[in-house]
This record gives sequence, C-alpha cells and structure tokens, in this order.
Amino acid sequence: GAGVSQTPSNKVTEKGKYVELRCDPISGHTALYWYRQSLGQGPEFLIYFQGTGAADDSGLPNDRFFAVRPEGSVSTLKIQRTERGDSAVYLCASSRGPLYEQYFGPGTRLTVT
Amino acid sequence: DAKTTQPNSMESNEEEPVHLPCNHSTISGTDYIHWYRQLPSQGPEYVIHGLTSNVNNRMASLAIAEDRKSSTLILHRATLRDAAVYYCILFPGSSNTGKLIFGQGTTLQVKP
Repeated sequence: GAGVSQTPSNKVTEKGKYVELRCDPISGHTALYWYRQSLGQGPEFLIYFQGTGAADDSGLPNDRFFAVRPEGSVSTLKIQRTERGDSAVYLCASSRGPLYEQYFGPGTRLTVT
Repeated sequence: DAKTTQPNSMESNEEEPVHLPCNHSTISGTDYIHWYRQLPSQGPEYVIHGLTSNVNNRMASLAIAEDRKSSTLILHRATLRDAAVYYCILFPGSSNTGKLIFGQGTTLQVKP
C-alpha cells in the first residue's frame, strides 16, 4: 500500500518568506507527527496530532511554526518569516496510534537563503 | 526523558552478523526499547521493539539484558542495504503522545 508522502521534496526560499509543507499519511492512521532533522543529527520532535487536534506541540521552536490537520488526514506545517536556521529536513510520520510504530515519509528538504 | 548511549559508528563485512549495542542504564520499568534505522536520504524506518524478552522479526533480533540496562540489535547477515544510521530509543509504555526522542545513533558501514 501507499506509504507516507510529503510534498515538495525540496523547497528553497528566501529569508523572511512564508512556506507550507504538506504531509499525506497512510490511510486510516489517526496519529500524525512532524519532526525536523538538521545535518548530522537525529530527528527532533515538533508536534503530534491525534485526529484533527494537536495533542502535543511542545517541540515547536517558536510561534513562527504552526501545523494543521483539519480533516484528520492531510497535515500542513506552516513556517512564517523563515530564517536561515530553519533550514533542515522536515519529516512527517503516521501511525495507528501513539503506542504503535511510526511510518516516516521521505521528508522535505527546506533551504532558506 | 531516559537517555540511550550508542557507539558513533561501526563497520561490518557483508554477509556477517552485526551486533549493535545500546546502553540505557536509567531505563524505567515501563519503558520499551525501540530501534529505528535511517537509510541515506530516507526517513527513519521501524525495525523492532521489546520490553523484557528477546524479540525476533524478519528484519532483526533484539536481545535485552536481564537488568534491562542494555540491549543489542542483531542483524543476522548484513547486506549492503543495511548500511544506515541505527537509533535505539526508549519509549514510555504510558506515552500518550508517541513522541520519539532520537539520539545520534550508530552509523553502520557494510563492506563488500
């Protein structure tokens, strides 16, 4: 079956611009996660959705970052006023629930120039 | 959050077994031990998990020490496709968020 997909695969933007990153989870998975991975580091948790609601957003670095999942399926990570330090690979994962194994997408590589 | 310690890197020869160690001396009684791996330019991939008993699946085996303060991921016959970063993660059994806390992991190099 289809895995987790993320679009775009690469995004280059200028400092100060707004970006949206999209995640399509595995069908039927109620849990969805966003992580961020800087070069040479392990992924870092950003936010967890159970259904439509953000159950844990403790990893969002500041209020420039926001994520939505309005219908409990597709999710969008939104970054306002991008900074060069936001450059990273943004990973999305989904699972059947918080205690189940997570399936990751290939990531979106964001470069802020 | 409980912490794990893994070697930065390991090497193996193709078709030989590989034992990837992980220390987790501060593990609590309800923490599961999860392993994920990340192949180059891909997202992480679930490998295996366990609580107290050794576990086997089609990808690997997980050997857990009796005191649970360490564990070992075993790849029975390494292939070139097993070259990846392997992450050992403690996952609270009572978690209501599913948050995975990744460390630096072990970079496994497989030589032909």
